[in-house]
Amino acid sequence: KNQVEQSPQSLIILEGKNCTLQCNYTVSPFSNLRWYKQDTGRGPVSLTIMTFSENTKSNGRYTATLDADTKQSSLHITASQLSDSASYICVVRQTGANNLFFGTGTRLTVIP
Amino acid sequence: SQTIHQWPATLVQPVGSPLSLECTVEGTSNPNLYWYRQAAGRGLQLLFYSVGIGQISSEVPQNLSASRPQDRQFILSSKKLLLSDSGFYLCAWRGTGENRKLFFGSGTQLSVL
Repeated sequence: KNQVEQSPQSLIILEGKNCTLQCNYTVSPFSNLRWYKQDTGRGPVSLTIMTFSENTKSNGRYTATLDADTKQSSLHITASQLSDSASYICVVRQTGANNLFFGTGTRLTVIP
Repeated sequence: SQTIHQWPATLVQPVGSPLSLECTVEGTSNPNLYWYRQAAGRGLQLLFYSVGIGQISSEVPQNLSASRPQDRQFILSSKKLLLSDSGFYLCAWRGTGENRKLFFGSGTQLSVL
């Protein structure tokens, strides 16, 4: 069964600290994996995409990793800011049209 | 540049009333359009997608329907809302290119009372 699981469900960290969000998937055949950031009451916005051949990719203070062998991805946020407070959603695309599998997200709260 | 508009932002409707949510895309032609629902604590659930005018595919059986009367317009409707229809509805379109990503609208928070 194709699934995407994220952990933790929620996370509270102090401003300036780092954190890592996890995404495990069983989607096959694998095409790519995206991390989206969703502010409360808004639509998700893509942060980064990881394809099969990519291990690490950075977008500012966000660094995503992918281990296609173990089917795991992580999103590391460095020097967190209050504006990082949001839900982070992992989305895995299966090879083929319109087959996207969404995780339930990690709710991150950054406190001063 | 491409933009996606979705309205209304919030909606409170009584059970049994009709629903119409509208989504329009600008700056692109013949986009693939999607309606998702996001329930509290749940992942996004694909409701409908459309690859062209008048072409609608439904992913799950439900109380809702979708229509695409124009290339860049996607409408989500219901004749009679149920309590279970409450949720956060997102319209999206998929960009072009090898690793096409979804661009989401700002969402509609629907509360059925």
